[in-house]
Amino acid sequence: ETGVTQSPTHLIKTRGQQVTLRCSSQSGHNTVSWYQQALGQGPQFIFQYYREEENGRGNFPPRFSGLQFPNYSSELNVNALELDDSALYLCATSWMETQYFGPGTRLLVL
Amino acid sequence: GNSVTQMEGPVTLSEEAFLTINCTYTATGYPSLFWYVQYPGEGLQLLLKATKADDKGSNKGFEATYRKETTSFHLEKGSVQVSDSAVYFCAPIYNQGGKLIFGQGTELSVKP
Repeated sequence: ETGVTQSPTHLIKTRGQQVTLRCSSQSGHNTVSWYQQALGQGPQFIFQYYREEENGRGNFPPRFSGLQFPNYSSELNVNALELDDSALYLCATSWMETQYFGPGTRLLVL
Repeated sequence: GNSVTQMEGPVTLSEEAFLTINCTYTATGYPSLFWYVQYPGEGLQLLLKATKADDKGSNKGFEATYRKETTSFHLEKGSVQVSDSAVYFCAPIYNQGGKLIFGQGTELSVKP
């Protein structure tokens, strides 16, 4: 049990819509990372937040954006959804170099 | 850029067989190395880690040794169980606070 929770667990959207995914941790870890995992693939790094500031970004377009709040919970926002955005979205909080993952949100874009 | 290579799956073993899943990483700097496991329909669970050369990580009967000379971090278990069936990911991280780099993962299927 990592103490990292994500919501919702599943959701279905249509192309062009916007979605917000949420992540929270009981641990008080001040760094959160988001990853996208397409079916049958390994997770790909989207971005990381440290003390409410973006602290690194992977090869994802600007329509992927995020927030981190003072209590270190976080949101991932995706605008103008595309079919290829269908994936499992994972957040992870960090202690030192170790990242602890939540159960993920499975997004289906139709 | 930095990358990681794992042996391709699926790997199918009988219960109590010996397991090795090979992992090699790019030899840039001194990464910390991790193995994560993903059970069907779930997120990633940390299995073990090693942060410097010759360290051995171990957990739940799984072991992996950080081999800098061969840039490898192979996962081993002496006797697998059906419950070990999952996808295993090797992932280096090249700086504290950085990103994990994942390969495709290796699917393990253990038959009774």
